Parts: sequence; C-alpha cells; structure tokens
Amino acid sequence: EPEVTQTPSHQVTQMGQEVILRCVPISNHLYFYWYRQILGQKVEFLVSFYNNEISEKSEIFDDQFSVERPDGSNFTLKIRSTKLEDSAMYFCASQRSETQYFGPGTRLLVL
Amino acid sequence: EDQVTQSPEALRLQEGESSSLNCSYTVSGLRGLFWYRQDPGKGPEFLFTLYSAGEEKEKERLKATLTKKESFLHITAPKPEDSATYLCAALRGTSYGKLTFGQGTILTVHP
Repeated sequence: EPEVTQTPSHQVTQMGQEVILRCVPISNHLYFYWYRQILGQKVEFLVSFYNNEISEKSEIFDDQFSVERPDGSNFTLKIRSTKLEDSAMYFCASQRSETQYFGPGTRLLVL
Repeated sequence: EDQVTQSPEALRLQEGESSSLNCSYTVSGLRGLFWYRQDPGKGPEFLFTLYSAGEEKEKERLKATLTKKESFLHITAPKPEDSATYLCAALRGTSYGKLTFGQGTILTVHP
C-alpha cells in the first residue's frame, strides 16, 4: 500500500540554522500539507499546498517558513532561522478525495 | 474559532472491556470529522471519515458515530494491540483542508 515518506527521521540543529524537511507524498495525490506536534500537545496545521501554490496557512507559518515542490515527487518544508520553540515533530500529509494520509514524521530538535 | 475537545484524556481498560471515546466539536459548517490512531513516535493513521449526523462507520472492533455536536469512537472487546492515542479532527466547510485536531485520548488495554 502506498505511503507518505519523510526524511530525515530525526534532525538536531543549532538555533539560527536553516533546516529543510523532506516528504514524498503518495504518487497520485494532489493536495499536500505540513503539520507539527510539540511534545505533549495537539497536532497543529501549518500549511496546505495545491497546484504549486499555498492554499491556506496558519498563524504559525510566518516568514521563517516556506514550502516547495521542487520536482514531481518531493515536497519540502524549510525553516530559515530555527528557534528553540520550533522543536517538534513535523508531519507531512497528502490527500486524495477528502482523506489526509500522514507520514511518519521528522523529529526536529533545536538546541 | 474552531475547537475540538476529546475526553477522557486517558482510558485504561481490561482486555474485552468495551468503552467509548468522545470528541466534541465546535466548527462552523463541518465538512468532515476524522478519526486517526497514533502510536508513540509515529504519524497519525487514518481510521474513519464521517460526513453527516447519524452516520456510522465500522472497522474490526471500532465503530465511529457522529451527531451534530460530537462524535464517538466505540471500542468493542478491545485487545492490547488497540492501545494507542486516538485523535479526532474536524474539517471546516470553507477550509482548503486544514484539520483541527483534538488533544487525543490515550487508550491502554491490559491483558
């Protein structure tokens, strides 16, 4: 069964550094999302992406964040200058019909 | 603002002891109510989508129901492998796919 994949599974970075989180959505899906989950908290929506454009974004998704679909298979989330509070699990999801399927996540730790 | 609240926060059951998890939502123009299962350190795994009050969906020992204000996940004769965090999420009608999640119910089933 097709799955969403994410790399890396874990990333440790220093505050102020740039990170890129990568996702390979399910191949025939058209809508893509990033969510994050701070330890012990709810899963929070960051951004939705369709037809090479951002469809919707949350207040969390400020100018430090960007998304890109650089080719036909990858979907990336870039954080330009990481902060301590960016430490979280980041989930990519892709959608066909009304259902979002989530990847296994990237655990980001900012020191 | 859309809100999703789940109760109880944690539920401990003996194997075979049936119970229900609750998800209350305040969402303008609900388009769908989703249930996911999340194992520790993993991404949410899709279980069910419910679209209208009165709808029911079943899968193995799980049955999800929907009213105009809440959804229930009924677990019949649970087994230890059903232990996980169960998340519900609401999709607003005017959204481009933003899911609003509850905080989850941590279910532990003892043999």
